[in-house]
Amino acid sequence: AQKITQTQPGMFVQEKEAVTLDCTYDTSDQSYGLFWYKQPSSGEMIFLIYQGSYDEQNATEGRYSLNFQKARKSANLVISASQLGDSAMYFCAMRANTGNQFYFGTGTSLTVIP
Amino acid sequence: DAGVIQSPRHEVTEMGQEVTLRCKPISGHDYLFWYRQTMMRGLELLIYFNNNVPIDDSGMPEDRFSAKMPNASFSTLKIQPSEPRDSAVYFCASSATGADYGYTFGSGTRLTVV
Repeated sequence: AQKITQTQPGMFVQEKEAVTLDCTYDTSDQSYGLFWYKQPSSGEMIFLIYQGSYDEQNATEGRYSLNFQKARKSANLVISASQLGDSAMYFCAMRANTGNQFYFGTGTSLTVIP
Repeated sequence: DAGVIQSPRHEVTEMGQEVTLRCKPISGHDYLFWYRQTMMRGLELLIYFNNNVPIDDSGMPEDRFSAKMPNASFSTLKIQPSEPRDSAVYFCASSATGADYGYTFGSGTRLTVV
């Protein structure tokens, strides 16, 4: 069965500091994609970053990077130089080739403190 | 492309009334998903379509909920009769096939049943 686990319901970080949001996954598929989405208080779901299971390099998108450890089945999101606008809910998600369905974690609420 | 378009953005209705939520996916995407988000339950997958065919509707709460996708550019989610516990944000998302492809979410419909 496919499963995504986010164990941090809430996180706080000082402005300009880096923060890591944890995500572990479980799948028997060899080919899968890992995604992070941001949901600010306005409610929309914003795609942040993608990592393919066969990618050897960690994905990066601006201040976002994905720390992919395949053997540990973890896909942590690292946000560098946090900004007040980073305060939001963050969801980790996985999509396997089998079934093409997405699986979402329960989310982590990040608050950036000035 | 304009992205995934949902309407209405907000809907307030009285208990017992019929509610219809609408979604226009991104052109070329062959998967369409309906989600419901509440504080208590988080993101719940209600139903998803592939090439306009419903694939999995096991998340639909009960017979009061129904969804259709008459063509590749339009889908509806209907609740009849509506109840206060249906109050939530309903998201539509679309995607191309394959683990490499993430969701593109619509802006959501905030439904309030009074």
